[in-house]
Amino acid sequence: SYELTQPPSVSVAPGKTARIPCGGNNIGSRRVHWYQQKPGQAPVLVLYDNTDRPSGIPERFSGSNSGNTATLTISRVEAGDEAAYFCQVWDSSSDQPVFGGGTKLPVL
Amino acid sequence: QVQLQESGPGLVKPSETLSLTCVVSSGSMRNYYWSWIRQSPEKGLEWIGYIYHSGIANYSPSLRSRVTFSLDTSMNHFSLKLSSVTAADTAMYYCARGHSSGFLPYFDYWGQGTPVAVSS
Repeated sequence: SYELTQPPSVSVAPGKTARIPCGGNNIGSRRVHWYQQKPGQAPVLVLYDNTDRPSGIPERFSGSNSGNTATLTISRVEAGDEAAYFCQVWDSSSDQPVFGGGTKLPVL
Repeated sequence: QVQLQESGPGLVKPSETLSLTCVVSSGSMRNYYWSWIRQSPEKGLEWIGYIYHSGIANYSPSLRSRVTFSLDTSMNHFSLKLSSVTAADTAMYYCARGHSSGFLPYFDYWGQGTPVAVSS
């Protein structure tokens, strides 16, 4: 089965840029979706189809996907971005979604 | 604005059946993958399955023998039944809407989650 790998934590200072990787075999051939989850809350979709933002998500959130790594980039990080971020793809061979283990983003 | 709201017992005894319902407010249930996803510290986000508006369901292989979904489009809700529960089924359970923008689905709306504990 397909697997997605994320680092447990990526730290960033306010105002800087955070880059959160999501690794998978030839993930560049897939469409990757990203979710933000703050403590005690449900996940929220922040990017879909690698680079598209749902309505209401700031332009500071962007994505890229190539080779074996997809990346969520958060520019000009704010304290309110502190959360866990999960990547997800849909494995068409098994017709089911696959989630990464999540990356916590502390804003130091 | 689409909203999803889960409801369930909170506490279930081992070997019993867990039943959860998700009410969808606003919008049609057509053309979406109505899903259940659970989350625990041990397993992270774990997809349980989906039921399409046609009633066709697809379940995670690891849970397929114990899970059943149902859908009532006239009442805008869908439900989960998980039988023979054990402590390993203790988790936060979310319902979510799977949406396809022409490609493979992602989850654009989630319920707030309902905690389930399995204990005697």
